[in-house]
This record gives sequence, C-alpha cells and structure tokens, in this order.
Amino acid sequence: SQQGEEDPQALSIQEGENATMNCSYKTSINNLQWYRQNSGRGLVHLILIRSNEREKHSGRLRVTLDTSKKSSSLLITASRAADTASYFCATVAGGTSYGKLTFGQGTILTVHP
Amino acid sequence: NAGVTQTPKFRVLKTGQSMTLLCAQDMNHEYMYWYRQDPGMGLRLIHYSVGEGTTAKGEVPDGYNVSRLKKQNFLLGLESAAPSQTSVYFCASSYRNLAETQYFGPGTRLLVL
Repeated sequence: SQQGEEDPQALSIQEGENATMNCSYKTSINNLQWYRQNSGRGLVHLILIRSNEREKHSGRLRVTLDTSKKSSSLLITASRAADTASYFCATVAGGTSYGKLTFGQGTILTVHP
Repeated sequence: NAGVTQTPKFRVLKTGQSMTLLCAQDMNHEYMYWYRQDPGMGLRLIHYSVGEGTTAKGEVPDGYNVSRLKKQNFLLGLESAAPSQTSVYFCASSYRNLAETQYFGPGTRLLVL
C-alpha cells in the first residue's frame, strides 16, 4: 500500500514548544502533502513538497522529505493552542503508479495553553 | 468564493434507504473527489471525477454511485444504505491534476441505523 503512516499517533505539548510529526511511506512518490483537520471540520492543505525537494517552509511550519528513507517530517515551531488539530500526510504515487492522494491515519496534536 | 460546500451536514438513515449527498465548488476546478473518514482509518477515496461527465472508482467504491453532470457539482448516491456506511463523508476538488492540492468541504456526517 502507498498509504503514509504517521508517527506518533498522538502528541501532547505545552504552548510555545515545538511539535514534530513524522510520516513514512512505502513506494516512490511524486509529491507528499500535509493537511490539518480541526475537530469536526474538513481538511485544510498546509504544504506540498515534491520528490525532488528536501525542505519547505511556510510560516511556523517546516517540512522535510527524505526519499532515501521514504519519510517526511512536519515541524511546527512555537506552537499555539490554536494548532490543536489532527495532522495528515498524503502521498501521490510516482512513476507508473502516478495518481491520486492516499492519506495516512493522522497525528492528533494537543497544545495546552 | 464559498469554496467547496456540502449538503446536508448531517443525516440519519434507516438500513435500505437511499440518499444523495451534494457537493458544489465555485473554483472552476476540473477534478472532484468523494472520501469517507472513519475512526483510525484516515480518509479513503470512494470515487472521483476528472471532468464534467466523467467518473472513476477509488479505493472503496462498493455501495456508492456518483454523477458529474455539471462541472461544479459532484453527487454521491447511496442506493441502499447499510450500517457499514456510517461515516463522515468529505468532498474535495483540485484544479487540473490528481496530484495537486485538494480543497475540502466541511463534511457530511451520516448515521445508518
């Protein structure tokens, strides 16, 4: 399966701390995307990183991609209570299997004020 | 722009009943998707469409049908609902490519008794 697997499943931190979530996948990818889902809401796109990129930043978010290890990480710096949400990685298969997004099961992040 | 909207927000069905979930987008996106989200399972693709008049099966298509008669609308039908179809359903769209960022609706919570 191409499905990404997030680690940890749940993360609890204090406001101001950094949060790191990891995603591993099994086969070659075209790109990897991170999404956030607030409780009871739809998913919101955070960052897309292509297979030829190693790192991307967006505000307090930093995403890295290591294609040799088939893994990605999402770092949220100086976390806020409003960052409390579920975070999903989603992969798009590359090569001859090029196609749609496949989502992992997500990491539940709780940021305590 | 409203983005991606879904109707209804919540519905309770009895086993064997039918219903249609409506998704609408005002971003002129070519691609539209239906996902279901179950606890611990992440999002799974049910059906998708790469343009008006087209539909294709995703990962879990059984028990569902779809139609894309207009570019802005994507309908998901349940002909004979089963308790296993109790889930939260999300519609999404992307501009012109399966691999691009997807924009999600707020979801429809369906309970089948």
